[in-house]
Amino acid sequence: DTGVSQNPRHKITKRGQNVTFRCDPISEHNRLYWYRQTLGQGPEFLTYFQNEAQLEKSRLLSDRFSAERPKGSFSTLEIQRTEQGDSAMYLCASSLGSPQDPFSGNTIYFGEGSWLTVV
Amino acid sequence: SQQGEEDPQALSIQEGENATMNCSYKTSINNLQWYRQNSGRGLVHLILIRSNEREKHSGRLRVTLDTSKKSSSLLITASRAADTASYFCATAEWGTDKLIFGTGTRLQVFP
Repeated sequence: DTGVSQNPRHKITKRGQNVTFRCDPISEHNRLYWYRQTLGQGPEFLTYFQNEAQLEKSRLLSDRFSAERPKGSFSTLEIQRTEQGDSAMYLCASSLGSPQDPFSGNTIYFGEGSWLTVV
Repeated sequence: SQQGEEDPQALSIQEGENATMNCSYKTSINNLQWYRQNSGRGLVHLILIRSNEREKHSGRLRVTLDTSKKSSSLLITASRAADTASYFCATAEWGTDKLIFGTGTRLQVFP
């Protein structure tokens, strides 16, 4: 069990550029989540996947944001035309959901996060 | 949006003392989870308590849940300097397992 892995850990980009973050969940975890966290605040939910299906998207996820999980394993979060307000830490998490009891309350494990600074 | 709030927002204690943090939330929940976050790092899962449970223990941690008051508390006994971190509660509403986080308590433990 290598934990949830996120890359890159830090990214500095100029306003208007596109950035992509990658998340590798814990092996065999079928659920994957993206959160965003700004300084002094708790993480805010962005979206989550069950296998390759994106089940829910927050209203925080504007049309400049897109997340994919094409084969139900790793996921990418892309931000197009970055703005300074996008500067934050982007956290990925994963869990193992049971098909028999999908909302049984599973432990959700987080990665170390990817810091984005838009200048 | 934030589900609820932790109280206090900040807490400073000496090593060896106990630290108590409270969390309030707004909706009916499936479970509540507590996490620790060191500065600039990811979140470390501490403990999960289900809505039909009232108390759980894990090492020096004790979590209580009062669903009638929509509140939870985290007690860290015999604190250590290494416990210095931000602590967040997060709730999963019925019908979903996405977590909604509170605003966190910043704990400082002085040697």
